[in-house]
Parts: sequence; C-alpha cells; structure tokens
Amino acid sequence: GAGVSQSPRYKVAKRGQDVALRCDPISGHVSLFWYQQALGQGPEFLTYFQNEAQLDKSGLPSDRFFAERPEGSVSTLKIQRTQQEDSAVYLCASTRGPWTRRGSYEQYFGPGTRLTVT
Amino acid sequence: GQQLNQSPQSMFIQEGEDVSMNCTSSSIFNTWLWYKQDPGEGPVLLIALYKAGELTSNGRLTAQFGITRKDSFLNISASIPSDVGIYFCAGQLKDSGGSNYKLTFGKGTLLTVNP
Repeated sequence: GAGVSQSPRYKVAKRGQDVALRCDPISGHVSLFWYQQALGQGPEFLTYFQNEAQLDKSGLPSDRFFAERPEGSVSTLKIQRTQQEDSAVYLCASTRGPWTRRGSYEQYFGPGTRLTVT
Repeated sequence: GQQLNQSPQSMFIQEGEDVSMNCTSSSIFNTWLWYKQDPGEGPVLLIALYKAGELTSNGRLTAQFGITRKDSFLNISASIPSDVGIYFCAGQLKDSGGSNYKLTFGKGTLLTVNP
C-alpha cells in the first residue's frame, strides 16, 4: 500500500479482555516499530522488528504485551488482560532499511489505534 | 521516561508570524528529528538532522542540531493556518541504556494559528 495502515482505528475493551492490534507497514520496509502514545504525551518506544526478528522489546511495559511479525511484513501487537492504564494510542512505524546508528531514521507512521479500556 | 524537554508546551500566534520551538536534554543525541502530528493521525517527519551544527531547511521550516548535541530548534516562518498541529522533537540517544533502536520523543508543542 501507499502508507502504513493500522486496524482497528478504535478499540474499546473491557478490563481483563485480550486485544490484538494490526499493523501493515509500507511494502518492502525492513524495519517496524511499535509506540505507545498516552494523551498529551509524545510516543514512547515499545518494540522493534528487523524483518521477522524482534531485536528490541525493552519498551514493552509488562509481560501482558506481546508483539510478533512472523513473515516479516504484517505485525500484531497483543495485549492480554487489559488494564485501564493500557488506554492509549498505539502507533506503528516502518522504515525502508534496517536500523543502524547512522541509518535510515525516516520512520513513516500509521494513523494509530486508539485503545480505550473501560 | 522521556529525557527531552520541549518548549513551549503551546503557542498561539497570528497568521504570518514566525514561530520558534526547541528541545533540550542533559544527554547527548546522535540524531534529531522533528515531526508534526495532526489530530487522529500519526506523526509526519518534517526534518531530520544527523550532524552537530547542521542547519537544514524544508520550505518554511528550518531546524538546527545544536553544537553540544544536547539541543535542537525548529523555526517556522510566515505561519499559515495549516501549520496548526502538535510538533514533536525526537532523537536517538548516544547512550541509549541498552536499547539501540529507540527514538526518544519530547512531549510536543501545540501550535495554534489564528487567521
């Protein structure tokens, strides 16, 4: 596709439910990132994939958060037993090349999924 | 937690005015990026800076990577109504505490332009 797409755009979950958020990166993009953006804040890094390999998951807030990218394209962020503090916008971004210390930092973001946990 | 101080938090200006916002940190950054985010959308990259002292323009936008590598500013000249939005600085820390892949974002500057 032309850009990064995410679905659903909005998700309301009852506390304790599991949710799955999908990201379709730009076709052919090697790197994929997930961010969490709380209201009134900047995005905060969650995890990074290079192709299908999850190279960094240091930003995942707890073991209830799990991300995968099994074929190196579409990625899913799963949150188990959702809590109210999980309410946020979840952003996905992709870059053409692998992340390097002086590499391609032009991350293209999707529109995000707004998760509300009631 | 975030390690970037972005200011001001918000700005209200008249169309045609120039705008300046900045980010500072006590830590050294390898890269500085400036993004704009419209309501309900993801951030869009405006300018990327890769070298200390670098000054880069993109139309009416100009940004600089501070010499100390601990700060950056973004200027917008002759503002127009469509400049309205939230502007974020972001960067990659030189010492990222074990994560080589994360971008650190500021809290954003909300810009309102009165026509």
